[in-house]
Amino acid sequence: QVQLVQSGAEVKKPGASVKVSCKASGYTFTGYYMHWVRQAPGQGLEWMGWINPNSGGTNYAQKFQGRVTMTRDTSISTAYMELSRLRSDDTAVYYCARDPLYSRLSGYYHYWGQGTLVTVSS
Amino acid sequence: EIVLTQSPGTLSLSPGERATLSCRASQSVSSSYLAWYQQKPGQAPRLLIYGASSRATGIPDRFSGSGSGTDFTLTISRLEPEDFAVYYCQQYGSSPEYTFGQGTKLEIK
Repeated sequence: QVQLVQSGAEVKKPGASVKVSCKASGYTFTGYYMHWVRQAPGQGLEWMGWINPNSGGTNYAQKFQGRVTMTRDTSISTAYMELSRLRSDDTAVYYCARDPLYSRLSGYYHYWGQGTLVTVSS
Repeated sequence: EIVLTQSPGTLSLSPGERATLSCRASQSVSSSYLAWYQQKPGQAPRLLIYGASSRATGIPDRFSGSGSGTDFTLTISRLEPEDFAVYYCQQYGSSPEYTFGQGTKLEIK
């Protein structure tokens, strides 16, 4: 069965960077786009971008351009999301979410990671 | 960027009643590329509907989606106790950016 297991909670100071991992299992990792979505406490969902695990190609939301980097390591079926120059309003739960279509980009998500809480505080 | 506006913000109903949730887009959503998710506290969202009206695998048939263009609706025909949660719509037709609505909280009356 498809599983996405994310790394544990992080506490960072303003200005630092955080790197969240998402380990995939139960399917061919390189066959499906991976997206990242975040949710600030008590707030709604915000799409951050996607990575094509096969090619490494990425597309980021304009809001995060220049601060976010999505990468992958195909040898261990893991996707990463790194966010730099953290601010207090980056405090959120960060989710990885898998696209449903093989080798195609759709943009909706049947499978989600469990979420990683990133807290930015001085 | 397409902005999605969900209404109402909070909906108070009783088990057994019918729930109608609305999602309005600031411009037409391409090919009805609209999804609905359910989220309970402390959990990741759960996909309910994609393509505006197709139920995801394992979703009970009391959940249905409809609409096109700029107006979409999620209907829960008879509310079960486990249906009380927050519901989000998402458009994924406007690449390269995908957007979510702000959510509707469905609470027990």
